[in-house]
Amino acid sequence: AQTVTQSQPEMSVQEAETVTLSCTYDTSESDYYLFWYKQPPSRQMILVIRQEAYKQQNATENRFSVNFQKAAKSFSLKISDSQLGDAAMYFCAYRKGGNKLVFGAGTILRVKS
Amino acid sequence: KAGVTQTPRYLIKTRGQQVTLSCSPISGHRSVSWYQQTPGQGLQFLFEYFSETQRNKGNFPGRFSGRQFSNSRSEMNVSTLELGDSALYLCASSSDGPGAKQFFGPGTRLTVL
Repeated sequence: AQTVTQSQPEMSVQEAETVTLSCTYDTSESDYYLFWYKQPPSRQMILVIRQEAYKQQNATENRFSVNFQKAAKSFSLKISDSQLGDAAMYFCAYRKGGNKLVFGAGTILRVKS
Repeated sequence: KAGVTQTPRYLIKTRGQQVTLSCSPISGHRSVSWYQQTPGQGLQFLFEYFSETQRNKGNFPGRFSGRQFSNSRSEMNVSTLELGDSALYLCASSSDGPGAKQFFGPGTRLTVL
């Protein structure tokens, strides 16, 4: 079974600085998708970024970018120019077929002003 | 387009009762997935419905069931409630296709007393 591991329960970053959240996963598949979701205190899950495993190019969405290392099964999220509104729980997720997401345990991100 | 809606937003039930939660997907989306979120177990996949058929199922007891209607709205039912069923129940909708993005609703907070 696929597993997703987020080894950082909590991270802090100063406003305007850069922070990287780590994620590793385990799969024997070669074609799959990886996601980062953000869950603010409102509990609404918001899709931050998506990466297709068959693409070597790292996905970017404005201030958010990923470092996808397929051989190492690593998928980290970099947030640049951190803002107070970035404070949330961040979940890394894996999906192979259908729409079943396998989530990591999450990383709480705190942003200091 | 309107987002994913879930009703009710909050529910309080007692042990042994049953409960029905509803999810209306984004217009045009035919896939609805359900997840349970608890502090102890994190986010866990319950099941996915596509075109009124259950396409995937997580590792939950038979007390958890669901269905999908012809308009793609979905309901999940939990019978004989236990204290451990207290959780945030999230549904997500998506169009079909291997890379389709999933969009989450605000969730239903179920408390079992």
